[in-house]
Amino acid sequence: ILNVEQSPQSLHVQEGDSTNFTCSFPSSNFYALHWYRWETAKSPEALFVMTLNGDEKKKGRISATLNTKEGYSYLYIKGSQPEDSATYLCAVNTGGFKTIFGAGTRLFVKA
Amino acid sequence: DGGITQSPKYLFRKEGQNVTLSCEQNLNHDAMYWYRQDPGQGLRLIYYSQIVNDFQKGDIAEGYSVSREKKESFPLTVTSAQKNPTAFYLCASSIDWGSYQPQHFGDGTRLSIL
Repeated sequence: ILNVEQSPQSLHVQEGDSTNFTCSFPSSNFYALHWYRWETAKSPEALFVMTLNGDEKKKGRISATLNTKEGYSYLYIKGSQPEDSATYLCAVNTGGFKTIFGAGTRLFVKA
Repeated sequence: DGGITQSPKYLFRKEGQNVTLSCEQNLNHDAMYWYRQDPGQGLRLIYYSQIVNDFQKGDIAEGYSVSREKKESFPLTVTSAQKNPTAFYLCASSIDWGSYQPQHFGDGTRLSIL
């Protein structure tokens, strides 16, 4: 069974700090990786979908990279702001309907 | 606004009772999903539907049932056979069943046992 691991489980940073977290997955049968942001009391929101080894995506201060050969993706946030506080979910699809979600990294940004 | 609406936000179940969680979408998406979240775990797939009148079991379907009579609606029933129903339930949809399509989520329903 495919296992998607996210680390760290939680992270506390100061406003203005840059931070990053990791999503690890088995590299076989990989089709796509999705990053979602989930703010408290809201619904998860799609950030990126990544499919090719070496993919890099960027949205404002948030960027992500993908290494399918070694089975990991990094999510970076530059100059964290309090509104970045959320749980960041990684989800890996091995084809068709099968999408496995990690447990998430919970980010707290202190003003 | 287009989106997914789940109701109710909170639900309480008595022993031996079936309860139904509602999920409606106006995104015109073909695919819909139900997930369960427990503390410290990733979302786990209960059921999914690729198209109207079709649905398939996910990883943890035991004790649950669904229907997909209309494209926009995918209700989940938690039956009395589900012995540990206390969890947070999320409904999602995507344009189609392709692996590259992001999923759009509702706000969730928190189910507890009385």
